[in-house]
Amino acid sequence: QSVLTQPPSVSAAPGQKVTISCSGSSSNIGNNYVSWYQQLPGTAPKLLIYDNNKRPSGIPDRFSGSKSGTSATLGITGLQTGDEADYYCGTWDSSLSAFWVFGGGTKLTVL
Amino acid sequence: QVQLQESGPGLVKPSETLSLTCTVSGGSISSYYWSWIRQPAGKGLEWIGRIYTSGSTNYNPSLKSRVTMSVDTSKNQFSLKLSSVTAADTAVYYCAKYTRIGAGWFDPWGQGTLVTVSS
Repeated sequence: QSVLTQPPSVSAAPGQKVTISCSGSSSNIGNNYVSWYQQLPGTAPKLLIYDNNKRPSGIPDRFSGSKSGTSATLGITGLQTGDEADYYCGTWDSSLSAFWVFGGGTKLTVL
Repeated sequence: QVQLQESGPGLVKPSETLSLTCTVSGGSISSYYWSWIRQPAGKGLEWIGRIYTSGSTNYNPSLKSRVTMSVDTSKNQFSLKLSSVTAADTAVYYCAKYTRIGAGWFDPWGQGTLVTVSS
């Protein structure tokens, strides 16, 4: 059971928009920035969003991030078949001793 | 740009110690944080810990008693040792650069190396 809760799967048609939620608590998301990672099949995860809503160089603006309270959201517009991947949120948790936590991951299917 | 490459045995016997090394190329390992993250087949990511080039470490509380990380700046490498392994430690192990600004983030990642625990 992950400290951060993500839906196991989401799906949408090409060209549509999808959002992926990441729910936590005051000990993690509520007091820390969130980052998001994309893991294409058979590959290593790749940084998609950092500091809640910033995109690294090379990440298209179709990808966006936001945070409100103890939840964060990843948005993807103009879905492409190449976006089919697992998506993970992550941040620090300081409940007992500080350590990094990831969400359980969300499988995005582009129908 | 910085690239990371994991190396080490792909098969470890139960109760023995898993040892992996991550070699950093394209930049200096000094003055940065470095992390290990693992992923069992078909499952999510689990943070193992991080090390600063001074040798300062933070480990996942669930693994802390079995984990040791070290860094060798002369070789631009950092390492992971996980003792008393069981089948539950079978996973793809990734090394990654951790940027400690705010909560921080992991970028880039190595390609990952599969470690199987089996007799």
